[in-house]
Amino acid sequence: GQQVMQIPQYQHVQEGEDFTTYCNSSTTLSNIQWYKQRPGGHPVFLIQLVKSGEVKKQKRLTFQFGEAKKNSSLHITATQTTDVGTYFCAGRYGNNRLAFGKGNQVVVIP
Amino acid sequence: ETGVTQTPRHLVMGMTNKKSLKCEQHLGHNAMYWYKQSAKKPLELMFVYSLEERVENNSVPSRFSPECPNSSHLFLHLHTLQPEDSALYLCASSPTVGHHEQYFGPGTRLTVT
Repeated sequence: GQQVMQIPQYQHVQEGEDFTTYCNSSTTLSNIQWYKQRPGGHPVFLIQLVKSGEVKKQKRLTFQFGEAKKNSSLHITATQTTDVGTYFCAGRYGNNRLAFGKGNQVVVIP
Repeated sequence: ETGVTQTPRHLVMGMTNKKSLKCEQHLGHNAMYWYKQSAKKPLELMFVYSLEERVENNSVPSRFSPECPNSSHLFLHLHTLQPEDSALYLCASSPTVGHHEQYFGPGTRLTVT
């Protein structure tokens, strides 16, 4: 079906450490988007990946789209307290449907 | 601020009440969306409007009734809701329905008693 799975659902990360969150689809995606939702806030768009194998960086964040366009990852280095929140991926399918994952809730331990 | 506003921000209503949620976008976008966000569930797309025309309705119960009078405004009319309808209702907009990112409003936290 057209759904994306995110793993893990929860992460506790020590400040200064790195972490990765993953997004997987059983079917090929047209593109994938990543959003961040701070506690008590709303989802905010981070990035969109379109090409197979694409890698994009935003400061300490590295986004990757798999070669088969079925999975994606977000890697954050040197975690800061401002990285707290829930990271959602949203996969777009050929019929234009955008399916959000359940999100990865990240707690940063000072 | 993302240019998408929602009112009210919080709403408590009884199961027999009728209320409306309002969304306004100041971005000049042509597509608007209603999402439901419940704890431990993915964002659920409820309705999609493109240039005031409903283009998607994802099996949403009839107690939720959307209205899009123009491309900048979107309403969600609520009546005879159930406690399980309690959630954060998010409005979003995008330039078109398609390959663009979506801009979300702050949401309305709805509690049905």
